[in-house]
Amino acid sequence: GQNIDQPTEMTATEGAIVQINCTYQTSGFNGLFWYQQHAGEAPTFLSYNVLDGLEEKGRFSSFLSRSKGYSYLLLKELQMKDSASYLCAVQGDNAGNMLTFGGGTRLMVKP
Amino acid sequence: ETGVTQSPTHLIKTRGQQVTLRCSSQSGHNTVSWYQQALGQGPQFIFQYYREEENGRGNFPPRFSGLQFPNYSSELNVNALELDDSALYLCASSPGGADYGYTFGSGTRLTVV
Repeated sequence: GQNIDQPTEMTATEGAIVQINCTYQTSGFNGLFWYQQHAGEAPTFLSYNVLDGLEEKGRFSSFLSRSKGYSYLLLKELQMKDSASYLCAVQGDNAGNMLTFGGGTRLMVKP
Repeated sequence: ETGVTQSPTHLIKTRGQQVTLRCSSQSGHNTVSWYQQALGQGPQFIFQYYREEENGRGNFPPRFSGLQFPNYSSELNVNALELDDSALYLCASSPGGADYGYTFGSGTRLTVV
């Protein structure tokens, strides 16, 4: 089975940097995804990590350590529009390669 | 056609009824997954279809069933609705291969009363 943990809520200030952690315990691993979801909207793809290390995409970076079962999403130069839920999802290596999501981290960016 | 579209956007049903939710995937996306997302929770995997065959299923009872059609559309059917089935139902499609990611639709908000 899969178990994925991430903080429920975080608050940060506009212009700052925030790191959202995700730990996982899985019976199989084929990659880790981060999604952003604004209230009432579809989750949108942010990043994918399958190898250890840091992936950078503009203001967003994602890190993976497979040996530690750990990932983080780093958001720089926070903007008010970054207020959303951030979902960590692990893809298994079973038939279907389904995604197992954590509960999501609701980030509130304050002025 | 681009994007993933779902219909209807909102739906209210009575306990015991049956419901069909629809999803239209991007052209070329042979894989479609359905998820249930309760308020304030992460999405829970229901099942996945690849080329019209179910190839993965989460921990949901048989009254949750699906179909995928050759035109990249799919359906989620739920029989004997229960109050706990009230949730946002998300469809996600992928061209295949893990590093392509999944494109999600905006979902159908189902309320069972």
